Amino acid sequence: GESVGLHLPTLSVQEGDNSIINCAYSNSASDYFIWYKQESGKGPQFIIDIRSNMDKRQGQRVTVLLNKTVKHLSLQIAATQPGDSAVYFCAESATETSGSRLTFGEGTQLTVNP
Amino acid sequence: DSGVTQTPKHLITATGQRVTLRCSPRSGDLSVYWYQQSLDQGLQFLIQYYNGEERAKGNILERFSAQQFPDLHSELNLSSLELGDSALYFCASSVNTDPGSPLHFGNGTRLTVT
Repeated sequence: GESVGLHLPTLSVQEGDNSIINCAYSNSASDYFIWYKQESGKGPQFIIDIRSNMDKRQGQRVTVLLNKTVKHLSLQIAATQPGDSAVYFCAESATETSGSRLTFGEGTQLTVNP
Repeated sequence: DSGVTQTPKHLITATGQRVTLRCSPRSGDLSVYWYQQSLDQGLQFLIQYYNGEERAKGNILERFSAQQFPDLHSELNLSSLELGDSALYFCASSVNTDPGSPLHFGNGTRLTVT
């Protein structure tokens, strides 16, 4: 069935570097995308979202890029800090078929080395 | 803190038993979602309620059921438990069912079936 997946299960970066986490989705009807951060022992925490009528959105130290042509989503974290170490999930929804419920990718473990 | 409260945090029970997981959504949120997170399946959508009514069903087993009460809290009932039901169960809430309403997650209930 339709699914959202991540290219890499793990990513290791040096403190201060920029991180890029990628996500591919297969449902061409998906029109809303979210990135979540999940720390050990906690629930997924909302980071940033983007609708399909946009290709870029910026938050504090984070940027989400959406390429609908190739069905690709990425999360960029600037000046990565040790506190950014966590599992990052992309999630998507398709208005007409799934309403507000989200389909999640498998997750990428980000490790920030001091 | 997301504002979503889940109890209990941990639950250990034996196969064949029945348990109830409880969720209080964020103040003002009308929609509640249940997700299961296991090591090999990632975050899987189970069921969604909106203002007391079932809105969408995902990969929820017949042994599982849920409801949302007039005060908007929700319960997930898991019966005839099997070893494979061991997982993290997350509740999330959103303001409504409009696509583009971010889901806010609780810290989950860790269920261990022995």
